Amino acid sequence: QVQLVQSGAEVKKPGASVKVSCKASGYSFRSYGITWVRQAPGQGLEWMGWINVYNGDTTYARKLQGRVTMTTDTSTNTAYMDLGRLTSDDTAMYYCARYGVPSKYFDLWGRGTLVTVSS
Amino acid sequence: DIVMTQSPLSLPVTPGEPASISCRSSQSLLHSNGNNYMDWYLQKPGQSPQLLIFLGSNRASGVPDRISGSGSGTDFTLKISRVEAEDVGVYYCIQTLQTPLTFGGGTKVEIK
Repeated sequence: QVQLVQSGAEVKKPGASVKVSCKASGYSFRSYGITWVRQAPGQGLEWMGWINVYNGDTTYARKLQGRVTMTTDTSTNTAYMDLGRLTSDDTAMYYCARYGVPSKYFDLWGRGTLVTVSS
Repeated sequence: DIVMTQSPLSLPVTPGEPASISCRSSQSLLHSNGNNYMDWYLQKPGQSPQLLIFLGSNRASGVPDRISGSGSGTDFTLKISRVEAEDVGVYYCIQTLQTPLTFGGGTKVEIK
């Protein structure tokens, strides 16, 4: 079955880091890229960045640079998004999605991982 | 950064009637390869977003033909020829021409 399965909800304290995983199955993992999109409660969608699984190239949203790291493990077909120095503004649902090259549209999404930052 | 502006913010619709959503970009999304790098997504209540239209006018797999996308350059439109109850949710446009990728603010479609 073609799917992206994300890790479970997380609760973190301000200043901490969170690592969200996204396990792909049912397709050739290295033939696509993985992007991360987040959605604060009641808000719209925000693009965080993406990683080309084939060569590991990453591009991050400017506002997150220095705090976010996206990686993949091709041995387990898993993508990771690591976000550090968390604040309450990082409380959101985090989605991973698959994209093709060069078309870049997101045709397969995970169900989301809720990250709550609270003291 | 490219700014994506959607309208309207909210769209009450009557089942069986048509509906239309506009998305305008602050820069042309037309690439030299002839593709418009603009996609449409629908986020149904409590669900992840799902792809509806890619590269401006191409319907994604499984999307009914009553949903269509059109436009080029900076002006794009998503049209639903006959709204059904399953079309309820928030519609987003996104430009993928250049990073950072940017989404429109969303249009909430609800049944009257």
